[in-house]
Amino acid sequence: AQRVTQPEKLLSVFKGAPVELKCNYSYSGSPELFWYVQYSRQRLQLLLRHISRESIKGFTADLNKGETSFHLKKPFAQEEDSAMYYCALSGPGTYKYIFGTGTRLKVLA
Amino acid sequence: DTAVSQTPKYLVTQMGNDKSIKCEQNLGHDTMYWYKQDSKKFLKIMFSYNNKELIINETVPNRFSPKSPDKAHLNLHINSLELGDSAVYFCASSQVTSGELFFGEGSRLTVL
Repeated sequence: AQRVTQPEKLLSVFKGAPVELKCNYSYSGSPELFWYVQYSRQRLQLLLRHISRESIKGFTADLNKGETSFHLKKPFAQEEDSAMYYCALSGPGTYKYIFGTGTRLKVLA
Repeated sequence: DTAVSQTPKYLVTQMGNDKSIKCEQNLGHDTMYWYKQDSKKFLKIMFSYNNKELIINETVPNRFSPKSPDKAHLNLHINSLELGDSAVYFCASSQVTSGELFFGEGSRLTVL
C-alpha cells in the first residue's frame, strides 16, 4: 500500500533547539519525496524535494531507502519556522501525490 | 500575478444545497488537482486532470463532479451537500508528473 506516515501531530521546540520532523513512507518502487509547508494564513508551498538535495531556510532532508524515511531536520529552530509541515510522495508517471497527515511545528521563544 | 487562484475563499451553505468552487492557474501547467483538507488537517487527493482529461478519481462520491473546460481551469461542483463535506478544498497544478505542486489558497466550505 502507498502511504506516508508522520507520527507526530504536534512538535514543540524552543528557539535555537534542533528540530526533526519524522516521515516514513511505504511505496513499491522509487518515489519522489517532498516536504511542503503551510505557514499561518498562507497557501501550501514546496519546501524541498529529495532530488534537489538542497537546503532551504536551513532545513535539510535525507532520503533513507533502507529505512524508507525522509525526515526533515534543522539544527537551530527559529520562531518563523512555526507552521504545518507535510511530507509527500509521488510515484513517477502516476499523477498522484500522497500526503502525510502533517506535523504542526511550534517554535517557542 | 497569482499562480493558482480559487473562488470563493469562504462558502457557508445549508445541507442539501448545490455549490461550485472555481480554480484557475496561469502557470501553463498541464495537470490540475483537487485536494480536501479535513478538520484534522489531513490532506487527501480527490481528482486529477491532465490536459482536460480525468486521470484520478479517488473514490469520491458522485455528488462531486469536477469539470475542466480547458487546461487552465478545473472547477468543482458539489450536489446535495452534506455536513461531512465541510472542509477546506485546495486546487493545485503541476507541470509534469512528479513535479512541484502549486497550490491555491484554499476554499473553506461550511455546511450547516
